[in-house]
Amino acid sequence: DAGITQSPRHKVTETGTPVTLRCHQTENHRYMYWYRQDPGHGLRLIHYSYGVKDTDKGEVSDGYSVSRSKTEDFLLTLESATSSQTSVYFCAISMTAPDEQYFGPGTRLTVT
Amino acid sequence: AQSVTQPDIHITVSEGASLELRCNYSYGATPYLFWYVQSPGQGLQLLLKYFSGDTLVQGIKGFEAEFKRSQSSFNLRKPSVHWSDAAEYFCAVGSYNNNDMRFGAGTRLTVKP
Repeated sequence: DAGITQSPRHKVTETGTPVTLRCHQTENHRYMYWYRQDPGHGLRLIHYSYGVKDTDKGEVSDGYSVSRSKTEDFLLTLESATSSQTSVYFCAISMTAPDEQYFGPGTRLTVT
Repeated sequence: AQSVTQPDIHITVSEGASLELRCNYSYGATPYLFWYVQSPGQGLQLLLKYFSGDTLVQGIKGFEAEFKRSQSSFNLRKPSVHWSDAAEYFCAVGSYNNNDMRFGAGTRLTVKP
């Protein structure tokens, strides 16, 4: 299995609070992605990175920001969490794009 | 942008029966097509992919898929389903022009004994 970890794995937070999710890889892959998974929608891309400090928006980027200061870490921040951001968040990596993506175990976020 | 439709939300098959999961995509150029499987509480795992060449591609766990450009389809098949195949299956399409991978909504497979 690709070396991808996500932290935390579960989080419950209140509306209006900031939240940061971390994705860490040990594979030295260039591309990193953040998705959210919701019933009936499959996976939707939030943001992705194509190198250190190089990021771009995905399909559902409103309300989210990202940062990548090191090859191995990709952070997803919800500046002010809302109930609509309750979801399961997956990080993925790939060596090239488009290509096979390797997925982390996911983070279940609940915003109350 | 590209898009993917998986017409079947839920499919039930008997163990040992054949399986076909449908996937239709929308994209103007040559698509990069993928099938992933997700077991409950897990991340996604790649079953197979198509970039070019032979339109019938083989994947892991006995799965295969056929790319049909005229029908904009990339259906997943397995000749004999095992109980361990029960999971959710996602079709995805990527584009060479951008890094945006689009996933279908998924098809949940139930396997009856």
